[in-house]
Amino acid sequence: GEQVEQLPSILRVQEGSSASINCSYEDSASNYFPWYKQEPGENPKLIIDIRSNMERKQIQELIVLLDKKAKRFSLHITDTQPGDSAMYFCAAGTGANTGKLTFGHGTILRVHP
Amino acid sequence: DPKIIQKPKYLVAVTGSEKILICEQYLGHNAMYWYRQSAKKPLEFMFSYSYQKLMDNQTASSRFQPQSSKKNHLDLQITALKPDDSATYFCASSQDWALYEQYFGPGTRLTVL
Repeated sequence: GEQVEQLPSILRVQEGSSASINCSYEDSASNYFPWYKQEPGENPKLIIDIRSNMERKQIQELIVLLDKKAKRFSLHITDTQPGDSAMYFCAAGTGANTGKLTFGHGTILRVHP
Repeated sequence: DPKIIQKPKYLVAVTGSEKILICEQYLGHNAMYWYRQSAKKPLEFMFSYSYQKLMDNQTASSRFQPQSSKKNHLDLQITALKPDDSATYFCASSQDWALYEQYFGPGTRLTVL
């Protein structure tokens, strides 16, 4: 089945700088790539997603890039704020008769003032 | 108002017992899912349902049985509980199963003693 690798596992940045999280997948049939933010004790919340017919998507300070040839996608948070500190998960889905999302192991982002 | 309700929020069970985790969604979605999150594994897909029909089952054990009495309900029955079943169980839903955004409920944290 699909496997998703996510790096780094921990990311520390200074407030106002950018943060980047990288994911790779194995199944070339994967065509949907969401990103979730999870705060301690809370549920994962969808923050941005990208489909395979796009290479780049931006929502405010969040940018997602997709390289289908390399089977890689990434999340970039510009102008980070302490409120961005959380666990971030990438995921991949094929949608083929399943709806299953395969998640990476997560990245703990710490934004320091 | 919460759009996805999971009951109970916390659950403590003894080894060998049986529990039912409740999930109801009021988003008008047609697809529902169960995921599990533990310290050992990231968010792990368990089941997907669409229009009350099972689409995919990725659990290796028959001890986990989803039950859908209504389109907006998807409960999870777990029998013969083991300490390894201790995890947070998230219910999620999406408009449809194919490449639609999945939204997670607040979760049920299960501890098996």
